[in-house]
Amino acid sequence: QKEVEQNSGPLSVPEGAIASLNCTYSDRGSQSFFWYRQYSGKSPELIMFIYSNGDKEDGRFTAQLNKASQYVSLLIRDSQPSDSATYLCAVHTGGFKTIFGAGTRLFVKA
Amino acid sequence: KAGVTQTPRYLIKTRGQQVTLSCSPISGHRSVSWYQQTPGQGLQFLFEYFSETQRNKGNFPGRFSGRQFSNSRSEMNVSTLELGDSALYLCASSLFGYSNNEQFFGPGTRLTVL
Repeated sequence: QKEVEQNSGPLSVPEGAIASLNCTYSDRGSQSFFWYRQYSGKSPELIMFIYSNGDKEDGRFTAQLNKASQYVSLLIRDSQPSDSATYLCAVHTGGFKTIFGAGTRLFVKA
Repeated sequence: KAGVTQTPRYLIKTRGQQVTLSCSPISGHRSVSWYQQTPGQGLQFLFEYFSETQRNKGNFPGRFSGRQFSNSRSEMNVSTLELGDSALYLCASSLFGYSNNEQFFGPGTRLTVL
């Protein structure tokens, strides 16, 4: 079992819709969770992080964490074509180590 | 505030050679992590440094090594290069490497091994 799992996609949504990206992790001791966006040929860019159960909102983005289910998600409201990218879920395991999922490719159709 | 910088941005080497990559963290950041990104394996953790000490390392052979200097700048070295070492090497910095510290990536060094 991979430590951090994401559906590779591609996930295709129409412009203006909500995109829902999901991630599960295996280490119950994991302490914090990050979402990065990576455009083709570029390095990952931090979108937001969460470490408490529940929701955290930042603009059009909402991260949701459920530690009991070992599940973290990212919702993108009012999706734009410029949101088309690969979204990486990252988990800080507490030992000064961050494990990344393989990423979900998102396509937002105009 | 300047971001994370990495040099060089591109490298072409041949099998058997060695390579050194450099990373300068964001000013004030003392933790530097290195990652290898390939299409097949995704982003894989190499090692993390803080105050010139390696605090954790990933599952890579001993050919991969690193170090950190007193000014928090870090280098990683790959010896006896193999074709499979072709990848994007990314470094990321954070304040202290704690779980609530955001980690920011540099632009990466793209290494091609021929």
